Amino acid sequence: NAGVMQNPRHLVRRRGQEARLRCSPMKGHSHVYWYRQLPEEGLKFMVYLQKENIIDESGMPKERFSAEFPKEGPSILRIQQVVRGDSAAYFCASSDGQGATEAFFGQGTRLTVV
Amino acid sequence: RKEVEQDPGPFNVPEGATVAFNCTYSNSASQSFFWYRQDCRKEPKLLMSVYSSGNEDGRFTAQLNRASQYISLLIRDSKLSDSATYLCVVGEGFKTIFGAGTRLFVKA
Repeated sequence: NAGVMQNPRHLVRRRGQEARLRCSPMKGHSHVYWYRQLPEEGLKFMVYLQKENIIDESGMPKERFSAEFPKEGPSILRIQQVVRGDSAAYFCASSDGQGATEAFFGQGTRLTVV
Repeated sequence: RKEVEQDPGPFNVPEGATVAFNCTYSNSASQSFFWYRQDCRKEPKLLMSVYSSGNEDGRFTAQLNRASQYISLLIRDSKLSDSATYLCVVGEGFKTIFGAGTRLFVKA
């Protein structure tokens, strides 16, 4: 039973390029959360999605960032025109939507913008 | 007010010390509570669930105070390997909310 899978694990982009981060939730999970973690800082909530719906995007920057979770396939976090400040670890977590059960994290994607 | 708030720390303690982390949550309808641990450059992982009556797992004790909307984690006899970030997590309905975490450094 595979856990939460994120890819790539490491991503290097030049300023101005696009970054696409993928997250496949655990089998049976239909709720996905994206978090960003800057070096030496805590997790910061970005967006919460259910299949085909964005439930809460209050933590997403208004520009350049978007997220989706299609009916088929992984959840995608897309960052357009990346800047150095986007360099961070991006973690995805999934849950079954029952708040009483734990959420599981992927190993994260470390984005470096050069 | 943030939905889940924790003291960011860091807490610096010697080996063998007892350390307590506190967490407050804003939604009185929250139903489930957890503590997660995150090691440096790794993903967070479940440490323990928190039950209304309080629960213990070895050196770790978790407590919940619903009236004050407050959760705690107590670590006794700290080990060097306890150095990590501890995240308070709250479930409300279908949503899971993570605190930003409290960093702990245990020194020899």
